[in-house]
Amino acid sequence: QSVLTQPPSVSAAPGQKVTISCSGSSSNIGNNYVSWYQQLPGTAPKLLIYENNKRPSGIPDRFSGSKSGTSATLGITGLQTGDEADYYCGTWDSSLSVYWVFGGGTKLTVL
Amino acid sequence: EVQLVESGGGLVQPGGSLRLSCAASGFTFSSYSMNWVRQAPGKGLEWVSYISSSSSTIYYADSVKGRFTISRDNAKNSLYLQMNSLRDEDTAVYYCARQGLGTGCSDYWGQGTLVTVSS
Repeated sequence: QSVLTQPPSVSAAPGQKVTISCSGSSSNIGNNYVSWYQQLPGTAPKLLIYENNKRPSGIPDRFSGSKSGTSATLGITGLQTGDEADYYCGTWDSSLSVYWVFGGGTKLTVL
Repeated sequence: EVQLVESGGGLVQPGGSLRLSCAASGFTFSSYSMNWVRQAPGKGLEWVSYISSSSSTIYYADSVKGRFTISRDNAKNSLYLQMNSLRDEDTAVYYCARQGLGTGCSDYWGQGTLVTVSS
């Protein structure tokens, strides 16, 4: 199982808002930046959010990120069918050595 | 435009070896740390290894430590992953990913190359 915990799936209707949680510990999320990745079916992951809440150029402001303590959240507003994808959180972990860890991924279904 | 193109994947028997390459273009490769990340069929992302811009710092996931070796050639704008003693569970799509400067995230990813370990 993954070091970071995400819900396996979330769903919402077009135009609605959804949030995806990512829970970790003090050795990872608690002391490091969190990033979020979108993986559309059959494609490579794409950076959505970095440093907890920053969006790379070209990512619409419908996507947002936040972090509190040892948890992080990805928010998506104005859902579109094109947002159907797997979403992963990631961060560095420095418990025993240095590792980059991911959540198990969340499948977003836009009903 | 930043481009990362992986190659070298294929079918290999358990216990065999394979060397993956990642050709980088569109940015100053020697200034960036790089990662390998893999994804088994139908599964989530798993980080494999990290190498700093000068190769001075290298990390591995426990699952590949002692079997895989990451390296880079800044003169050739290339990243490598030497994989030895391959196991069935190493079957995955392997992505190379650029580490953003000071961001702790991977900001660009290649399209991936499939490695299948099977007899």
